[in-house]
Amino acid sequence: GQQLNQSPQSMFIQEGEDVSMNCTSSSIFNTWLWYKQDPGEGPVLLIALYKAGELTSNGRLTAQFGITRKDSFLNISASIPSDVGIYFCAVPSGAGSYQLTFGKGTKLSVIP
Amino acid sequence: DTAVSQTPKYLVTQMGNDKSIKCEQNLGHDTMYWYKQDSKKFLKIMFSYNNKELIINETVPNRFSPKSPDKAHLNLHINSLELGDSAVYFCASSQIINNPNTGELFFGEGSRLTVL
Repeated sequence: GQQLNQSPQSMFIQEGEDVSMNCTSSSIFNTWLWYKQDPGEGPVLLIALYKAGELTSNGRLTAQFGITRKDSFLNISASIPSDVGIYFCAVPSGAGSYQLTFGKGTKLSVIP
Repeated sequence: DTAVSQTPKYLVTQMGNDKSIKCEQNLGHDTMYWYKQDSKKFLKIMFSYNNKELIINETVPNRFSPKSPDKAHLNLHINSLELGDSAVYFCASSQIINNPNTGELFFGEGSRLTVL
């Protein structure tokens, strides 16, 4: 099946710092998604990208759909303690795109 | 109101036992899923049902049997539990028909299964 290479695997940052993480694949996708999983909860969609080159913001979060359609990145500016969690990239995959394939996640820790 | 609710939240059981996890969604979605999250937090699709019909069955042992009595419910029954079944199981739902696949899945809070 498709594999998404997500990096970094984990990050420890100071509150107030900016964060960047990315996802790459050897395959082309028409949609890239970013989810966040808070501890003890299920993942929640943060940003969806549908067009190559698209740059989309959601508050302090900004995500870009790579022009080659094989990658995406997520930036978080001015991090705060509640940004702690695991961030996943994901793409619709499989027949009819009824499922999502997830990256392995980036675990973010914010030091107050 | 919880959009996707699954029970139980925690399940501790012995090897060889049979257990079930229930899931219900009140979003009116036509598609429901079971995902497994292992100890390394890797999320992998197990099953997908669209309007009560199985549409995805990934390489999952046949000890796992999903059942969808109606499109708002998707239960997961596991027979002869093994140590390697310990994981967090997430139910999710989405609207597929008459809606381009936006990729938005709504997840439940997860059911943590521990097999001793």
